[in-house]
Amino acid sequence: AQKITQTQPGMFVQEKEAVTLDCTYDTSDPSYGLFWYKQPSSGEMIFLIYQGSYDQQNATEGRYSLNFQKARKSANLVISASQLGDSAMYFCAMRKRSGNTDKLIFGTGTRLQVFP
Amino acid sequence: DAGVTQSPTHLIKTRGQQVTLRCSPKSGHDTVSWYQQALGQGPQFIFQYYEEEERQRGNFPDRFSGHQFPNYSSELNVNALLLGDSALYLCASRFGANTEAFFGQGTRLTVV
Repeated sequence: AQKITQTQPGMFVQEKEAVTLDCTYDTSDPSYGLFWYKQPSSGEMIFLIYQGSYDQQNATEGRYSLNFQKARKSANLVISASQLGDSAMYFCAMRKRSGNTDKLIFGTGTRLQVFP
Repeated sequence: DAGVTQSPTHLIKTRGQQVTLRCSPKSGHDTVSWYQQALGQGPQFIFQYYEEEERQRGNFPDRFSGHQFPNYSSELNVNALLLGDSALYLCASRFGANTEAFFGQGTRLTVV
């Protein structure tokens, strides 16, 4: 069965430092996509970054980069130069296709707190 | 350009009642999915709608039903509410098969 595992319930980081949020996944599908979402206390899921299973290079979006290690089935999110506004829940998700439909399978999330 | 909008933002219902949650997808999006997020958990997939039809369903009882309208907006209905249905309900929309989903801010349902 497809599964996402986030083993860090909470992380602390000082402003301007980098932080890595861990994500491992389990799938037998040869083609899949991995996502990271940020969820502030307001509730909205904000898309951060996407990595396709066949992408040769690690994805980057501004201060966000995804450390994709396919053999280890890990897709860690790296946030560089943390800001106070980065404090939120972060979810790793995998897209599971079923015929012409799909759904996202989420991990349990990591709460990141950035302190001055 | 408005993103995904959901209404209402908060709702309190009594056990046994019925509730309807609404979602307007982002402009140009034709596929709507619903997720349930219990406190302290990641979102769980409920179902997905495309061209007014339910295309895929997660592991949720028949008390959960939905609808998609010709303008792509969608409703989630839950009958015979249980205390365990208390959660944040998220709507996500997208266009095309290989694009990221955009989420609304959610409806926080409390069943008392």
